[in-house]
Amino acid sequence: DSGVTQTPKHLITATGQRVTLRCSPRSGDLSVYWYQQSLDQGLQFLIQYYNGEERAKGNILERFSAQQFPDLHSELNLSSLELGDSALYFCASSNLGSNYGYTFGSGTRLTVV
Amino acid sequence: DAKTTQPNSMESNEEEPVHLPCNHSTISGTDYIHWYRQLPSQGPEYVIHGLTSNVNNRMASLAIAEDRKSSTLILHRATLRDAAVYYCILRTYSGGGADGLTFGKGTHLIIQP
Repeated sequence: DSGVTQTPKHLITATGQRVTLRCSPRSGDLSVYWYQQSLDQGLQFLIQYYNGEERAKGNILERFSAQQFPDLHSELNLSSLELGDSALYFCASSNLGSNYGYTFGSGTRLTVV
Repeated sequence: DAKTTQPNSMESNEEEPVHLPCNHSTISGTDYIHWYRQLPSQGPEYVIHGLTSNVNNRMASLAIAEDRKSSTLILHRATLRDAAVYYCILRTYSGGGADGLTFGKGTHLIIQP
């Protein structure tokens, strides 16, 4: 157990639907990062939140959004789902500063049918 | 973003040392060198990181060239459980606390029994 909890582990949904992925960071970590990993794209950085505020954006589609709540858990919302959104979605947490690495969760496998 | 270059794959024998190279010729003075590994169907796992000096931890050693344009991850005695994709990444601490890691394709390490 890495300390980062992601739910659900698996999700199957139809095209056009909306889903929410949840992440609880490791205790004490203020930063949360979301990544998408598909077979042909590798690990793609989507977005970072630090203590409730958005800090960095990567290759995140407009159909996707995220937020970090006061208790530091984060949710990634994916809407108008397409077949190409099928992927593993990872959440990671860290603290800012040179002494820290990222701790990743075990991921949510999203299948859009 | 600063880029890294790694071999696509490497093969080694069990119980032998493994040296995984990484080139980062455009590294800046404030970039930290991070290594992560990812086993199949799992989230990436932090291995080690450093700035200028060589670093050791229970998992591996990191040797950093004097000019910092390259580094080598050393697994002292590889086991079958070390078979994974290893990523070498530069972590840049930019203003405002934004620091999303950019993953490349990594090195696929194969361990032969």
